[in-house]
Amino acid sequence: DTEVTQTPKHLVMGMTNKKSLKCEQHMGHRAMYWYKQKAKKPPELMFVYSYEKLSINESVPSRFSPECPNSSLLNLHLHALQPEDSALYLCASSQEYGQGGEKLFFGSGTQLSVL
Amino acid sequence: AQSVTQPDIHITVSEGASLELRCNYSYGATPYLFWYVQSPGQGLQLLLKYFSGDTLVQGIKGFEAEFKRSQSSFNLRKPSVHWSDAAEYFCAVRGGGADGLTFGKGTHLIIQP
Repeated sequence: DTEVTQTPKHLVMGMTNKKSLKCEQHMGHRAMYWYKQKAKKPPELMFVYSYEKLSINESVPSRFSPECPNSSLLNLHLHALQPEDSALYLCASSQEYGQGGEKLFFGSGTQLSVL
Repeated sequence: AQSVTQPDIHITVSEGASLELRCNYSYGATPYLFWYVQSPGQGLQLLLKYFSGDTLVQGIKGFEAEFKRSQSSFNLRKPSVHWSDAAEYFCAVRGGGADGLTFGKGTHLIIQP
């Protein structure tokens, strides 16, 4: 199994809603990532978890709250989002974090629209 | 700080023709370099990577890339493109340690019949 599975594929939410994005991998990877990608732009790193601990938070607003309940799962909790947060949210995993040359496996993403 | 430049926003190539996508990087030492491909509404798939050894790297789907230190370049090539190669291509660089992956702005590849 070389897949990273993200659910849901599409999400529409209001600015007062609370929702969660989910990501799962069964490759035994110990590093998991959240990226945000606006239309026609490259992915931007949001968070990195290494061995279930938050290693990097790229100054992401607190309305985005990541969680890594175990080594296979990664969640992104959303609350009080703004319309400019509408984007494709990509999850990725790699065997380790910090070794430089490791390959990232990406999920297909959740297309989020905030109304 | 590391950075990547992809000078071409769009490239149009006829099916069967050869392809070269340009990528220039900035990093103080030898970086880790990657090419990823993204189809519409999908995640990214790694085509190939370089971090040491032979400067000509072979990847999946018939792609190759050449690392040229003197030009700070890592251009992606394919001898004969197929309509299914139409996608967005991202070059990415990563330094050592805890540096994250930095993506270029991408090149949108259009294949003409």
